[in-house]
Amino acid sequence: GENVEQHPSTLSVQEGDSAVIKCTYSDSASNYFPWYKQELGKGPQLIIDIRSNVGEKKDQRIAVTLNKTAKHFSLHITETQPEDSAVYFCAVRYSSASKIIFGSGTRLSIRP
Amino acid sequence: DGGITQSPKYLFRKEGQNVTLSCEQNLNHDAMYWYRQDPGQGLRLIYYSQIVNDFQKGDIAEGYSVSREKKESFPLTVTSAQKNPTAFYLCASSIGLPGQGVTETQYFGPGTRLLVL
Repeated sequence: GENVEQHPSTLSVQEGDSAVIKCTYSDSASNYFPWYKQELGKGPQLIIDIRSNVGEKKDQRIAVTLNKTAKHFSLHITETQPEDSAVYFCAVRYSSASKIIFGSGTRLSIRP
Repeated sequence: DGGITQSPKYLFRKEGQNVTLSCEQNLNHDAMYWYRQDPGQGLRLIYYSQIVNDFQKGDIAEGYSVSREKKESFPLTVTSAQKNPTAFYLCASSIGLPGQGVTETQYFGPGTRLLVL
């Protein structure tokens, strides 16, 4: 079926350290993988996305890696800062559907 | 400023009452979506619309209805048939539907929190 598994559900890291969130999917033909950041009481905001023709994409302290063989992709945040504290969602566009499936979210907390 | 607006920010529903959540976008996007978010869970698709006067059911459409009479507006009605309506409702839009290339990126509004009295 169409689903996306996201781990971990909660993550606490020391300020300045790196954070990694991983998602797995089932449809090998999926080709679009966005990541969203949601702050408390607000709508999700797109922070980075990747398409299946590339293996890695980077934007300043944020990077996403894609392993199509293993069917998983990960969000990497380096040099974490307090403003990185939020809930992060991965998502996958399955080839069979005109919709995007979201993971269950990871609550990231940055310890001072 | 271009963007997606949702109103109200908070909405209270009485037993047996229908309520309507507003979603407006001035991004000139063709596709619009409604999602429901429950605490600690991901987003679940309620309805989506590709063009004016057309919309499709998502994964959890029961108890909800929508209309798309104008390109920029996609209101969601939570009917009395929805027995557990308490949730955070998010509206989103994209240039085109998923599967249509770079136009599939979805942009979200600030959300409406619906509570039952």
